[in-house]
Formats: sequence, structure tokens, C-alpha cells
Amino acid sequence: DAKTTQPNSMESNEEEPVHLPCNHSTISGTDYIHWYRQLPSQGPEYVIHGLTSNVNNRMASLAIAEDRKSSTLILHRATLRDAAVYYCILRDALTGYALNFGKGTSLLVTP
Amino acid sequence: EAQVTQNPRYLITVTGKKLTVTCSQNMNHEYMSWYRQDPGLGLRQIYYSMNVEVTDKGDVPEGYKVSRKEKRNFPLILESPSPNQTSLYFCASSFKGQKNEQYFGPGTRLTVT
Repeated sequence: DAKTTQPNSMESNEEEPVHLPCNHSTISGTDYIHWYRQLPSQGPEYVIHGLTSNVNNRMASLAIAEDRKSSTLILHRATLRDAAVYYCILRDALTGYALNFGKGTSLLVTP
Repeated sequence: EAQVTQNPRYLITVTGKKLTVTCSQNMNHEYMSWYRQDPGLGLRQIYYSMNVEVTDKGDVPEGYKVSRKEKRNFPLILESPSPNQTSLYFCASSFKGQKNEQYFGPGTRLTVT
């Protein structure tokens, strides 16, 4: 499986934008890039996904590099509720059901 | 409300006493899965099911059984629990396809003494 690399932790001030990076240099052409997050004491929660183009939804934006070897999850205005572990996950067309969560990035949001 | 429910949420049991953790979803999803989460090891898949009567092993299936007799339910069975199965368990479901988001239950914290 193609792997992802994320920083162990990041810190942000409340109401500031947050850019969470993910490197996936061995990504294949059919891999989708998914982001999930896990708030304390909760199950993982879907955030966003994309293939080649940048994507926006009500929670976040996903910026995908032109060569697809990296991506960035953007939270436009961090709130205290956004403090969580964020996982960048590649899902391929053949075996894309299991989510390989890795260690993720622990985001701390300070008031 | 679309959701995945798990019961019980917390369970303390003794070695060897059979137990079942239930999982139910109300979204008509074909795909269902069980994960366990352990400190330092992250989330790992135990078993999954692509549809009714279709189940398969994930990365860490030893010591677990599952069944999928109905589309909405996917129970996790521990026939003879051992202390190394002490963990936080999550059930997930989704429609088929790598683009579809997975919905997770709230988790079941199991302690085996």
C-alpha cells in the first residue's frame, strides 16, 4: 500500500487558518486521498476526499499538488472543537475499503 | 438520524467468558468493518463484510469472529477473550466504493482481566 507521512503534531490559535500537510510520494494514479479526524473519546470522522482537483466542503478544503505527491488539509478558521488527530489516508480502487490510519497529526488549538 | 450504534459502550469481563459486541447501522450500507485501537499501534482492521453473508479477515483477525446475517447488523464475537484483546473497538460502515466515506460508531471499550 502507498504510505503517507504527516507531522506528529501541530499547533494553531483559535480562529486562525490551519494547513495540515501530508506527503504521499508513492501514490498511484487510482488512489483517492481521504482525510479523517478523531476527536478525543470519539470514533473517527470523515472530513474530505479528492483525486486530482482541489475540493471544498463545509468542514474543510483539500489542496492537492499537481504531481499528487502531497496534499494539504485546510481548516479555514480553527475552533477549539477542531482539536483532534487528523489522518491522511490513501484508498486504491482494488483494496480501498480498509482505512490505513497511520499515526496522524495531533492538532492542538489554543484560545 | 444516520448513525452507527455499538453496544455495550463499556465492558469489563474475565478471561475465557464469551462475549458479543453488537454493531448496527441505519444507512443501508453494504460494507461494514471492525477496527481495534491501541496506544502506539493506531487503528487496525479486524474483519470486514462486503454484504450479507460475505465476510473476510482484516489485519488482526485472530481471536475474533463475525457474522453478517442481516444488512444492518455486524456483531463482533470473542469466543474466549484474553487480556491482549483489551482495547477500544470501532465499527464502521459505508456504501461500496473507494470514494465513499466511512461512518464510525462511538466505540466500545473492552477490558479483559
